[in-house]
Amino acid sequence: SQTIHQWPATLVQPVGSPLSLECTVEGTSNPNLYWYRQAAGRGLQLLFYSVGIGQISSEVPQNLSASRPQDRQFILSSKKLLLSDSGFYLCAWEDGYISGANVLTFGAGSRLTVL
Amino acid sequence: GQNIDQPTEMTATEGAIVQINCTYQTSGFNGLFWYQQHAGEAPTFLSYNVLDGLEEKGRFSSFLSRSKGYSYLLLKELQMKDSASYLCAVRDQNYQLIWGAGTKLIIKP
Repeated sequence: SQTIHQWPATLVQPVGSPLSLECTVEGTSNPNLYWYRQAAGRGLQLLFYSVGIGQISSEVPQNLSASRPQDRQFILSSKKLLLSDSGFYLCAWEDGYISGANVLTFGAGSRLTVL
Repeated sequence: GQNIDQPTEMTATEGAIVQINCTYQTSGFNGLFWYQQHAGEAPTFLSYNVLDGLEEKGRFSSFLSRSKGYSYLLLKELQMKDSASYLCAVRDQNYQLIWGAGTKLIIKP
């Protein structure tokens, strides 16, 4: 069966510090991978998605970046965090075969507080 | 632009029935999803509709009308553990998921 791991679960970072959130998927090959952010009490904002190694699409211009160094690994980074980067970050995966019925499965999330 | 509308918050009583509505305007349609999200946790998949009609899964049912751009999630025999946010999402013509802001459901004893 497929599982998705995301870490760290919680982090508190000062403004201007770097960020690295990591996500890995097991039990599948060539998944589509996503990074979302959710502000408190708000909906999901798509940040990045990837359909393959080294292929990253950015949905929102900002000081965050994403990389996919391996098929089942997706990393969210920042060189200098802003206060507005605080939020709940969610990694998600779905089958890479294009189908409307593909279910998006989320990792447990990473709660980031920037002070 | 693409848009999904859901009520921000609803309140219901334990043991009762509640219907959460979702209306959408998207570029194309390739299915509609409902997810449940408990506070502080990740969303989890509840249901998928691509054809008109009602899909039933235990206490939860989801309905779709493509001609009206409308769906609802029906929760029966409400339990306290059903207190959560319910997210509606639609796959557009490019197979991208468009998300609603979610409906926070509060269950009172």
